[in-house]
Amino acid sequence: EAGVTQFPSHSVIEKGQTVTLRCDPISGHDNLYWYRRVMGKEIKFLLHFVKESKQDESGMPNNRFLAERTGGTYSTLKVQPAELEDSGVYFCASSQPGTGEPYEQYFGPGTRLTVT
Amino acid sequence: QKEVEQNSGPLSVPEGAIASLNCTYSDRGSQSFFWYRQYSGKSPELIMSIYSNGDKEDGRFTAQLNKASQYVSLLIRDSQPSDSATYLCAVNRVGPDSWGKLQFGAGTQVVVTP
Repeated sequence: EAGVTQFPSHSVIEKGQTVTLRCDPISGHDNLYWYRRVMGKEIKFLLHFVKESKQDESGMPNNRFLAERTGGTYSTLKVQPAELEDSGVYFCASSQPGTGEPYEQYFGPGTRLTVT
Repeated sequence: QKEVEQNSGPLSVPEGAIASLNCTYSDRGSQSFFWYRQYSGKSPELIMSIYSNGDKEDGRFTAQLNKASQYVSLLIRDSQPSDSATYLCAVNRVGPDSWGKLQFGAGTQVVVTP
């Protein structure tokens, strides 16, 4: 069974540009999460989808960040316009209550975003 | 005060010894507790979950939870060089408005020396 996949693995953009990150959860997982780790800090929650609906977006830093999950499968996270402080590693995770422990989240490899 | 606190390390452990990692959390409403292992440049890998007070063992790993003291720990027995990694403690409040949100500590770096 394939794990969580993310694309791209690394992105370097200039301040003011737009970047779109993609996450494909584990097949069949309704719950999809985005997290971010900036340099020297702990991993921070951004938002949580249940299927195509946003369950919790309390961690989204501002309106420059837009997450979508059309069709309830893969998700995209768009940053527009990017700022220097957006640099970090963006992780996606997925989980599925009813399979194993209900709240276990499985992480993808992350996208390292560098804004110059 | 951080919501989840861990000693950053590095924690140096001789090969074959027991590594003991500690984590404290501030939210008394936390219900689910997880340990992730993260190798440098890789994704966090779930190694243990614990939901009830007491011990939970899985292979060389034992997680211990004490909700009254707001404390969760991870023991790694017979430490191997391959255990060298950063170990992240994560907690989940599990309420009607926040049941998916994991709160992470900054991680403890473990170095197992041959």
